[in-house]
Amino acid sequence: AQSVTQLDSQVPVFEEAPVELRCNYSSSVSVYLFWYVQYPNQGLQLLLKYLSGSTLVKGINGFEAEFNKSQTSFHLRKPSVHISDTAEYFCAVRNQAGTALIFGKGTTLSVSS
Amino acid sequence: GAVVSQHPSWVICKSGTSVKIECRSLDFQATTMFWYRQFPKQSLMLMATSNEGSKATYEQGVEKDKFLINHASLTLSTLTVTSAHPEDSSFYICSARGLAGVPYEQYFGPGTRLTVT
Repeated sequence: AQSVTQLDSQVPVFEEAPVELRCNYSSSVSVYLFWYVQYPNQGLQLLLKYLSGSTLVKGINGFEAEFNKSQTSFHLRKPSVHISDTAEYFCAVRNQAGTALIFGKGTTLSVSS
Repeated sequence: GAVVSQHPSWVICKSGTSVKIECRSLDFQATTMFWYRQFPKQSLMLMATSNEGSKATYEQGVEKDKFLINHASLTLSTLTVTSAHPEDSSFYICSARGLAGVPYEQYFGPGTRLTVT
């Protein structure tokens, strides 16, 4: 069975500071990895995904993530955050044979000035 | 890009009544649609997976007689919450996966907030 652990439930940062949101997964098979963002009372928007190839993945809004197979991690980073980045962030995993996504519990990113 | 809509965006109903939520893929054909439920400040929990023209596959612990899912066409899936109770109040989100294009990506709808009084 697969699972996703987001290590931080809340991450408060100041505007223009760097941020890292941590995600670890467990799976006995190869997986695809995703990061989604959810703004209040809205659905999910895909930030970036790792399917194969380069382990450093760049997404929208200046976010990037690095797939580390040995550490089974897929941490999300941004070098300089904005107030508008305040949202809920979800890490998700899907195995190559499966269909549905398994989500972590989410990390609330709060950016203040 | 691929767009998924949900209707209504929010609904309030009385206990004991039924509510239908629609999920539509607007610019692509969705062979598979997923229904998720999200409680406040919590993650998305998969409720069921539906393929066009066949019965939905429900996750363990989800009552199939209470949460009726129909995927009658390649662009529409519906979730009907029957005999709703206050504990069914939640944020329901659908997602869709298409025939072509990026096969591993799901496109999410904006969600429907259900409040049962």
